[in-house]
Amino acid sequence: QSVLTQPPSASGTPGQRVTISCSGGSSNIANNTVNWYQQLPGTAPKLLIYSNNQRPSGVPDRFSGSKSGTSASLAISGLQSDDEADYYCAAWDDSLIGPVFGGGTKLTVL
Amino acid sequence: QVQVVESGGGVVQPGRSLRLSCAASGFTFRSYAMHWVRQAPGKGLEWVAVISYDGNNKYYADSVKGRFTISRDNSKNTVYLQMNSLRADDTALYYCAKDLVIYFLALPGNWGQGTLVTVSS
Repeated sequence: QSVLTQPPSASGTPGQRVTISCSGGSSNIANNTVNWYQQLPGTAPKLLIYSNNQRPSGVPDRFSGSKSGTSASLAISGLQSDDEADYYCAAWDDSLIGPVFGGGTKLTVL
Repeated sequence: QVQVVESGGGVVQPGRSLRLSCAASGFTFRSYAMHWVRQAPGKGLEWVAVISYDGNNKYYADSVKGRFTISRDNSKNTVYLQMNSLRADDTALYYCAKDLVIYFLALPGNWGQGTLVTVSS
């Protein structure tokens, strides 16, 4: 049971916009920033979004993040087949004194 | 460019010990906290431990507290994870990751490719 809650799966067709939610609480998302990671099949996780809505260099602006209260969201617009991956949210938890992750969302491009 | 390379994984019997290493390059190692994160086969990411840039602060997930020890050698740009009293549910791919924020304890930024630990008799 992960501290942060994500839907186990999401899907969309090429060109569509999809969003993935991440729900937490007062000790994590509410008071700390959220990162999103993309894990392509058979590879290591890669930082996709940091500080709620910032993109590292090289990440397309099709990917965007937002946070409100105890929840965060990742939006992917102009969906492409190579966006098929697992997506994880993470935030620092002040009670556990360490990062906590969501359970991951498997994105399928139909 | 930032690079972290894990090593030391393998097959080990329950109750035994293993030490993982993570060699870092491409950034000022002594200025960043370092994390270990693991992923059991077919499962999600689980944070394991973090060590501050100077080694003075260390924090662990409850699942490994008292059994695992994180350490670092800033002269060698290397972070370690000593794993004792290993159990079957420690079987996972162990990732080393550089923290995102200089001098602070925050979230993982750059990840290595991982080293596989299998605990089995």
